[in-house]
Amino acid sequence: GENVEQHPSTLSVQEGDSAVIKCTYSDSASNYFPWYKQELGKGPQLIIDIRSNVGEKKDQRIAVTLNKTAKHFSLHITETQPEDSAVYFCAASKGQGGGSYIPTFGRGTSLIVHP
Amino acid sequence: KAGVTQTPRYLIKTRGQQVTLSCSPISGHRSVSWYQQTPGQGLQFLFEYFSETQRNKGNFPGRFSGRQFSNSRSEMNVSTLELGDSALYLCASKRGPNTEAFFGQGTRLTVV
Repeated sequence: GENVEQHPSTLSVQEGDSAVIKCTYSDSASNYFPWYKQELGKGPQLIIDIRSNVGEKKDQRIAVTLNKTAKHFSLHITETQPEDSAVYFCAASKGQGGGSYIPTFGRGTSLIVHP
Repeated sequence: KAGVTQTPRYLIKTRGQQVTLSCSPISGHRSVSWYQQTPGQGLQFLFEYFSETQRNKGNFPGRFSGRQFSNSRSEMNVSTLELGDSALYLCASKRGPNTEAFFGQGTRLTVV
């Protein structure tokens, strides 16, 4: 099955700095890569996603890049703010039974943004 | 628009008991998936239901089961609870199988 590795497990930055979280996946058939943010006491929230036919996607301060050949993808957050502090999960998935996309998650990165 | 609602939020059960968790998806969403989140194993997929049918199942023992009703609400059941079943159980709803997943806040299950 799919295996997703995520690094680093903890990332501490100063407000205004950039943060980068990296993930690798093992199944070359995976073609959908969502990123989730989980705040304390809440469920994961989708913040950005990318499909395998695209190399990069941006949404304001957040961007994701995908390298299909190397089987890795990264989350970039610019101008970090204290409210960006949370656990971030990457995931990789492909179509399953019934056309569903069932994600395999990385172990998460705890991002701490210091004011 | 109401989000995904999971009940109860917290639950304490004794080993050997069984438990039922409930999930109400976003209105109009017909797909419901369940996940187990633990510090040791991370986020793991349990099963997915769409239009009352189980579409996919993760690698969990048969003690874990679920169902979906005609109004898309879903329940999951864990029988003969073990200490290792202590976890945050998350439900996610999607409009369709290949669309964005929205997670609820989860049910925190503690088995003592």
